[in-house]
Amino acid sequence: DSGVTQTPKHLITATGQRVTLRCSPRSGDLSVYWYQQSLDQGLQFLIQYYNGEERAKGNILERFSAQQFPDLHSELNLSSLELGDSALYFCASSAAGTSVYEQYFGPGTRLTVT
Amino acid sequence: AQSVTQPDIHITVSEGASLELRCNYSYGATPYLFWYVQSPGQGLQLLLKYFSGDTLVQGIKGFEAEFKRSQSSFNLRKPSVHWSDAAEYFCAVGGRAGGTSYGKLTFGQGTILTVHP
Repeated sequence: DSGVTQTPKHLITATGQRVTLRCSPRSGDLSVYWYQQSLDQGLQFLIQYYNGEERAKGNILERFSAQQFPDLHSELNLSSLELGDSALYFCASSAAGTSVYEQYFGPGTRLTVT
Repeated sequence: AQSVTQPDIHITVSEGASLELRCNYSYGATPYLFWYVQSPGQGLQLLLKYFSGDTLVQGIKGFEAEFKRSQSSFNLRKPSVHWSDAAEYFCAVGGRAGGTSYGKLTFGQGTILTVHP
């Protein structure tokens, strides 16, 4: 158990809908990351937040957005969903300094868009 | 841009045999390197990491990896594989690129390990 929690574990929804994925980092970690894992793209970095502020951005679609709240939990919002958004979404967290790259992953949320 | 190549999509070994999974990276400066393992339906677990210093790093579950700057490689090894090691293994690179790359890990495509009894 990494200490990172994600809810829900599974999500099935229809095209055009909007969903919210939630992540709670390990105790004491200020950084939260979101990754997407799909068969064709592999593991792709989406976005990073550090203590409530956006810190780094990957190839995140404009239909996707994220935020980190004062209690450090994070939410990833996916809207106007398409079939191709079906994937496993991971949240990871890390401490500060060099350890920012030592990321601990949650169990993931499997999103299925029908 | 940073990138990671894992040349072997699928490797099969017999239980008790030695294992080496290959990883080559591309990065403009000294990289931070990682190996993660993912069991079916699970998240990624950090096996080991290299930041600096000794180029042979030890990890959990009896795994080790060696950083070879001249070959841009960070291969994962285990002297004797157990059936429970069957999983998918990912090599990742990050570094002090700063800016919009701060904190970003770039992953390889993964190597699936099958262990025969």
